[in-house]
Amino acid sequence: GDSVTQMEGPVTLSEEAFLTINCTYTATGYPSLFWYVQYPGEGLQLLLKATKADDKGSNKGFEATYRKETTSFHLEKGSVQVSDSAVYFCALSDGSSASKIIFGSGTRLSIRP
Amino acid sequence: NAGVTQTPKFRVLKTGQSMTLLCAQDMNHEYMYWYRQDPGMGLRLIHYSVGEGTTAKGEVPDGYNVSRLKKQNFLLGLESAAPSQTSVYFCASRQGASRGETQYFGPGTRLLVL
Repeated sequence: GDSVTQMEGPVTLSEEAFLTINCTYTATGYPSLFWYVQYPGEGLQLLLKATKADDKGSNKGFEATYRKETTSFHLEKGSVQVSDSAVYFCALSDGSSASKIIFGSGTRLSIRP
Repeated sequence: NAGVTQTPKFRVLKTGQSMTLLCAQDMNHEYMYWYRQDPGMGLRLIHYSVGEGTTAKGEVPDGYNVSRLKKQNFLLGLESAAPSQTSVYFCASRQGASRGETQYFGPGTRLLVL
């Protein structure tokens, strides 16, 4: 079945460092790909998405490019801030019955001042 | 516009007790979902609904029941709580079935079963 694998955390960086969180997927069709973010004590919220190959999603300085050839959707940010500390989830939706979204296990990111 | 709300925010149960978690959305969404979140396991789908009056099993449905009597509400029931059901429960909704459709999440209910 479809699945999402993302790098294990926790990831700890200093403020203004470059961030990459790896995400790869397995899907039989042509899924849409998402990054969700969960701030402490809150629910998940959409960070960015891409619906077809070579699309780039971007939001709040974060970017991810849908790479069909490597089945990847890595999350990047050029200069992280303390306020980016959160758990990040990679996810896919294949548009099948009920369009269930399949989530990765999450990566906890901590940014040191 | 409240989005997706969940009641209660936190609950402690004893083994064998029952309870109902309420999810409400004011976006007129057709699809609603219940997930549980456990450390290191991401979100796992418990049950979902594709419209008023419909429900279906997800990945981990055992020990839970659901009902969608009204379009805006999706209830999750635990008939006889077990310690293995200690988790954070999230409700989500989305408008349609297209693969690019965003899911909107509630703030979560933290449940502790002793």
